[in-house]
Amino acid sequence: ETGVTQTPRHLVMGMTNKKSLKCEQHLGHNAMYWYKQSAKKPLELMFVYSLEERVENNSVPSRFSPECPNSSHLFLHLHTLQPEDSALYLCASSLRPQLDAFFGQGTRLTVV
Amino acid sequence: GQQLNQSPQSMFIQEGEDVSMNCTSSSIFNTWLWYKQDPGEGPVLLIALYKAGELTSNGRLTAQFGITRKDSFLNISASIPSDVGIYFCAGHSGGYQKVTFGTGTKLQVIP
Repeated sequence: ETGVTQTPRHLVMGMTNKKSLKCEQHLGHNAMYWYKQSAKKPLELMFVYSLEERVENNSVPSRFSPECPNSSHLFLHLHTLQPEDSALYLCASSLRPQLDAFFGQGTRLTVV
Repeated sequence: GQQLNQSPQSMFIQEGEDVSMNCTSSSIFNTWLWYKQDPGEGPVLLIALYKAGELTSNGRLTAQFGITRKDSFLNISASIPSDVGIYFCAGHSGGYQKVTFGTGTKLQVIP
């Protein structure tokens, strides 16, 4: 248990569906992140939020839409995804930007 | 962009053996991080290094921040079955620069 909780753990969705991933941390951290982990590829940073403001968007397609309503919660809204979007989506948080990140257990997403 | 080359990609070792893995970069980092990821879980931070030449231990794990600031090493002594997993290095240049992750070293321990 790292203090970062992600739900759901597994998600199967069709290409026309809309779904949301949720991340919650109660570690008092100021920064939260979404990463994508695909097989045999390095972790890819998708979005960074610092003090609830988005500070980085690494050229992520608009079918991924993040939301950070407060410093403890982070969402990733998904719509009209493609099969190649299937991956493990990891949320992380840290006290300092980008450093010493604590990761959640991830959501295993399969797009069919 | 920055790239991290992590080696070996995978390794099988006998329980009780020592393990070494390394990470090299084409550019300089100010911070090196080592994570372990168990199957079905997120990465867990093992060791953070903040200064060139720094050598830091965490139980049976020892990591070093290379003098050139372009590489880092992780050693595991007297391996045990629960050391199985994927080990990732990560480098950070400072400020709001993103953390760059390596491709991972998959470790398997034979009892």
